[in-house]
Amino acid sequence: NAGVTQTPKFQVLKTGQSMTLQCAQDMNHNSMYWYRQDPGMGLRLIYYSASEGTTDKGEVPNGYNVSRLNKREFSLRLESAAPSQTSVYFCASSRRPGTSGIYEQYFGPGTRLTVT
Amino acid sequence: GENVEQHPSTLSVQEGDSAVIKCTYSDSASNYFPWYKQELGKRPQLIIDIRSNVGEKKDQRIAVTLNKTAKHFSLHITETQPEDSAVYFCAAILSGGGFKTIFGAGTRLFVKA
Repeated sequence: NAGVTQTPKFQVLKTGQSMTLQCAQDMNHNSMYWYRQDPGMGLRLIYYSASEGTTDKGEVPNGYNVSRLNKREFSLRLESAAPSQTSVYFCASSRRPGTSGIYEQYFGPGTRLTVT
Repeated sequence: GENVEQHPSTLSVQEGDSAVIKCTYSDSASNYFPWYKQELGKRPQLIIDIRSNVGEKKDQRIAVTLNKTAKHFSLHITETQPEDSAVYFCAAILSGGGFKTIFGAGTRLFVKA
């Protein structure tokens, strides 16, 4: 049981380049999330997907797009990278809203992205 | 928009003392309040949570309190140990709204031996 996996672990991009961050979970969770973490700013929600087939904007969606490919996979795309997008990106997943019990979000190991 | 304020940003305590971290949320519809611990270079992990219909919850040395009227919730760690040193994040979630999650900015806790 791998939990939440992310690829790549590290990436350096030049301004204007594009890339896709991949995330997959094997816990049969319905909900998935993308966050960015900057020093002193905590975790900021970029996009989330309550269930397969739906996606919604979070706090900081500008400059990003997402795809919920299937129940397991949720990708984040940077179409034209900017230095302001230098950050650590975390993917997370949780059980479906409305189910009883703890709504714990399980995080992936993170992707450290640098845009020069 | 929704906002979660967390204080203090840094907290230093002696081993064995208590630590208290406070959060305030803006969206009165939020109904689930988890706390995450993040050790250096690692991913955040849930340590305790509380729902809006509960005022207090305890798990060994950690406890969380919630005041819905004031929109405040707090994390209390008693008998702190050096391994409690980490960054702690609070969050507010509207579980009926697709689980949109807003985190506080974090508190870096140092426990001095």
